[in-house]
Amino acid sequence: GAVVSQHPSRVICKSGTSVKIECRSLDFQATTMFWYRQFPKQSLMLMATSNEGSKATYEQGVEKDKFLINHASLTLSTLTVTSAHPEDSSFYICSARPLTDTQYFGPGTRLTVL
Amino acid sequence: EDQVTQSPEALRLQEGESSSLNCSYTVSGLRGLFWYRQDPGKGPEFLFTLYSAGEEKEKERLKATLTKKESFLHITAPKPEDSATYLCASLIQGAQKLVFGQGTRLTINP
Repeated sequence: GAVVSQHPSRVICKSGTSVKIECRSLDFQATTMFWYRQFPKQSLMLMATSNEGSKATYEQGVEKDKFLINHASLTLSTLTVTSAHPEDSSFYICSARPLTDTQYFGPGTRLTVL
Repeated sequence: EDQVTQSPEALRLQEGESSSLNCSYTVSGLRGLFWYRQDPGKGPEFLFTLYSAGEEKEKERLKATLTKKESFLHITAPKPEDSATYLCASLIQGAQKLVFGQGTRLTINP
């Protein structure tokens, strides 16, 4: 149980384009979903927290107009990187939390912006 | 400021050589302490949640313990497949987000 999927697993795009990443909780309803970014050999950096039906809460320094988060249902959240640039290249990971305290993570999405 | 510190940063062991990873936390009002395992290029995999000092949890060769200031992840007779980065994270009372440590990169040599 507690499986979280992400799609796509890898994406390569041109600078200036937008990319959407989906995060789904497959076997539970997620009251809260989180989006993280991870640089090589570093720990996870929280970008934003989203509760279903509410606006996401962004961490300090994260541009909310660049990283659009939608949590439209209890099993789906999306992260859209708008007008992507090479510095946005990274490993993006989502997590989902049911009514317990534990966050369950997706497998991650590797974004490369050329 | 709430902080989680893991040590060592990296650890190399021979297969079968038991050891412990440390996670020290300075948070105001701990609700839970979490351990995750992360393989390269993958998302973290949940291992344990600990809620109170003195609590212990086990899974195969891993045992997690918790005191009022730190948590240990003990690995007994490790195998090469236990090689991974182990992350600990704290959740404080009233908060939603986890505070992560920097992780310990564990390598088990055959």
